Amino acid sequence: QVQLQESGPGLVKPSETLSLTCTVSGDSIGASYWSWLRRPAGKGLEWIGRIHTIGYVNVNYNPSLKGRVTMSVDTSMNHISLSLSSVTAADTAVYYCARTLSSGGAYFDYWGQGTLVTVSS
Amino acid sequence: SYELTQPPSVSVSPGLTATITCSGDSLGDKYVCWYQQKPGQSPLLVIYQDNRRPSGIPERFSGSSSGKTATLTISGTQPMDEAEYFCQAWDSTTGGVFGGGTKLTV
Repeated sequence: QVQLQESGPGLVKPSETLSLTCTVSGDSIGASYWSWLRRPAGKGLEWIGRIHTIGYVNVNYNPSLKGRVTMSVDTSMNHISLSLSSVTAADTAVYYCARTLSSGGAYFDYWGQGTLVTVSS
Repeated sequence: SYELTQPPSVSVSPGLTATITCSGDSLGDKYVCWYQQKPGQSPLLVIYQDNRRPSGIPERFSGSSSGKTATLTISGTQPMDEAEYFCQAWDSTTGGVFGGGTKLTV
């Protein structure tokens, strides 16, 4: 059974950088694609980006966030990391990591429980 | 950027059929999937590749897609199906795209 667990600070100050880690068990980081997504309160789901290291490192980011977001993987620790810079109140959301299957489009079959990040001074 | 449109809310009586639509340009050319999300829980994949059910998802959930519209159908809707439902597709330029979500009231 694939399990994902997000972790990181629950409070980030405006203009600073949000950093989260997703720990994966039950699957190898290097064998699949992985995504970060978020859901602001009262709004819908938003895909942030996707990363894989199958053969080579490949990352795709949501164009609306490009320039502020960075994703990376640590295969030795089975971790996926997310950094989002210059945060504002609009970045307050529950952040999820999810395994991403990329045959026939791409979709998210296993999700972490999510972690709430609040941007506030 | 690519966009998907869902009705904000749908109501259905227990035991009847609920239909939730998702529309987007040339949506029939893309694979569509559907997620169920209940308050305080993570999204749950209920349909992928237009009409496939993941293991463990009840048969009452089905999906279809044609032209500009994809549809999630819940037959014999149960009170436990009350949740918010999101459609999602992958766009070559935008990446993962979600509809705005439909709140299903049973």
